Amino acid sequence: SQQGEEDPQALSIQEGENATMNCSYKTSINNLQWYRQNSGRGLVHLILIRSNEREKHSGRLRVTLDTSKKSSSLLITASRAADTASYFCATKGGSEKLVFGKGTKLTVNP
Amino acid sequence: EPEVTQTPSHQVTQMGQEVILRCVPISNHLYFYWYRQILGQKVEFLVSFYNNEISEKSEIFDDQFSVERPDGSNFTLKIRSTKLEDSAMYFCASWLEVNTDTQYFGPGTRLTVL
Repeated sequence: SQQGEEDPQALSIQEGENATMNCSYKTSINNLQWYRQNSGRGLVHLILIRSNEREKHSGRLRVTLDTSKKSSSLLITASRAADTASYFCATKGGSEKLVFGKGTKLTVNP
Repeated sequence: EPEVTQTPSHQVTQMGQEVILRCVPISNHLYFYWYRQILGQKVEFLVSFYNNEISEKSEIFDDQFSVERPDGSNFTLKIRSTKLEDSAMYFCASWLEVNTDTQYFGPGTRLTVL
């Protein structure tokens, strides 16, 4: 089964608007993390939320986690052109590995 | 801020050749990983390494792949006989302690097999 399925697959917004990306997963997790990837570049860790947490903030980022629905959302407020990137959720269950979703490609138009 | 480094940034090789991708994890981290990302697809786990041995590997990590931590600082991924389908971005990651911190990823090595 697929873990960490993000939606939408692509999102295009204007600078200053908020961007919301969602992630669903199928098995139980210890934590869920969001990463950003600029085109062709490495993965940058954004935020980690543990299974016993419901919401977490970091700067303009807000992450929620609903373990009953096996879903998470990433909200970027007051978006900037520099936020243009692909965003991936990654879940960590009982094993050590992270399981990544397919990502949401965010485009912020100036 | 400490970071994971990888070399080379881009490797081009002929099908059937051996390649070694190198990583220097963050110095006090204990767990090491390789992931790969085929162009346009999601990041996939290959292997994890702890205490000088493989702790978990995926179905992708077949006999053509091997990992090594030869000198206490470098962490390498070797592909013995590359195939066209091995073309991908390979990411190294390191982790201080499972369940207490996040995995820190390197910038990746883009492997192109011709």
